[in-house]
Amino acid sequence: EDQVTQSPEALRLQEGESSSLNCSYTVSGLRGLFWYRQDPGKGPEFLFTLYSAGEEKEKERLKATLTKKESFLHITAPKPEDSATYLCAVQESGGYQKVTFGTGTKLQVIP
Amino acid sequence: DSGVTQTPKHLITATGQRVTLRCSPRSGDLSVYWYQQSLDQGLQFLIQYYNGEERAKGNILERFSAQQFPDLHSELNLSSLELGDSALYFCASSGRTGLEETQYFGPGTRLLVL
Repeated sequence: EDQVTQSPEALRLQEGESSSLNCSYTVSGLRGLFWYRQDPGKGPEFLFTLYSAGEEKEKERLKATLTKKESFLHITAPKPEDSATYLCAVQESGGYQKVTFGTGTKLQVIP
Repeated sequence: DSGVTQTPKHLITATGQRVTLRCSPRSGDLSVYWYQQSLDQGLQFLIQYYNGEERAKGNILERFSAQQFPDLHSELNLSSLELGDSALYFCASSGRTGLEETQYFGPGTRLLVL
């Protein structure tokens, strides 16, 4: 069974203090790994899709990387508006291409 | 605004009842996904449709069913409702931008079963 584990569950950073969020996964075959940002009571907002080990994607202060077993979301010099829950999901390849989400990392950036 | 619309925004009903949630995908997107998000279980993938056909299935209960119509809007039907079905239900749609499959989520329908 596909599994996605995100750590830490919660993270509190000072503004400007860079850090990384981790997403470990097990899947029989990976079609894609997704990162989302979710604000309370709202739908997840797409950030990145990664397809193969070694791939990296960047957007503003965020950078996502992928290995065969895990993905990292690096946040450089975060601002208070980066506070949100960050979700990771994997989609399996072949057959039913099921999507499995992690439970998320709740990030709080303090001014 | 993601371009994905969901109706209704809120729904309050009683146990044993049946409800229908509606989703209109972004213009041009052929895939529609349904997710359930509750406090104790996080975001759970239910089902995906692509151009009217079922493409992928998650842990969707037999009491739940979905379909995608020729105009690409989708409906999620929940029947014999139980208290534990109270949750946020999200719809997402995807299209192709180069090699990326970008999923855009709607604002959700908040279902409360009393």
